Amino acid sequence: KAGVTQTPRYLIKTRGQQVTLSCSPISGHRSVSWYQQTPGQGLQFLFEYFSETQRNKGNFPGRFSGRQFSNSRSEMNVSTLELGDSALYLCASNQEGAWTGELFFGEGSRLTVL
Amino acid sequence: TQLLEQSPQFLSIQEGENLTVYCNSSSVFSSLQWYRQEPGEGPVLLVTVVTGGEVKKLKRLTFQFGDARKDSSLHITAAQPGDTGLYLCASPGGFGGNTGKLIFGQGTTLQVKP
Repeated sequence: KAGVTQTPRYLIKTRGQQVTLSCSPISGHRSVSWYQQTPGQGLQFLFEYFSETQRNKGNFPGRFSGRQFSNSRSEMNVSTLELGDSALYLCASNQEGAWTGELFFGEGSRLTVL
Repeated sequence: TQLLEQSPQFLSIQEGENLTVYCNSSSVFSSLQWYRQEPGEGPVLLVTVVTGGEVKKLKRLTFQFGDARKDSSLHITAAQPGDTGLYLCASPGGFGGNTGKLIFGQGTTLQVKP
């Protein structure tokens, strides 16, 4: 069974630009969550999508947005990039109904903002 | 919002030594997960503890959940270089159900030198 796939793995942008990251969950998983990981703040929850609807949202500004498609693939977008947006963005999927609540993470997209 | 405090933040030890990592909160955990993240990869679930006083073993790793479900520990016996990585504790950020929203501790970076 293929794992969670994130693209691109690495990207460099400049301040003010926007970026779109993509995530394909494990087949059969309908929940997709996004996290930002930085050395200073650690892993922070951005948002979660389930059946194309945003189910949970973290404390990030409106520049961070996401969506989910009917095939459960998800994208997140960051507009008007700031230097502080440089981070590893992780996507995770989980199996609805699984009692362990295990999240399966992708390898991440490392964003550098110059 | 529940905060998870992990200690220590960094640990550098020699192969064969034992170590313990702690995860504490002022609030009661509904459940507690431990993940390990290796460089260039996403976190991978090691264990989920649910019941106060619960002890789980995974080879040389022993996980304990406090009786009051406010603290947890991870003990590694005879650490090996392959144990090197970032250890994260996490707890569900919502109430009930199986969601993708987890609150993570800041993590413990473990380096095991041969």
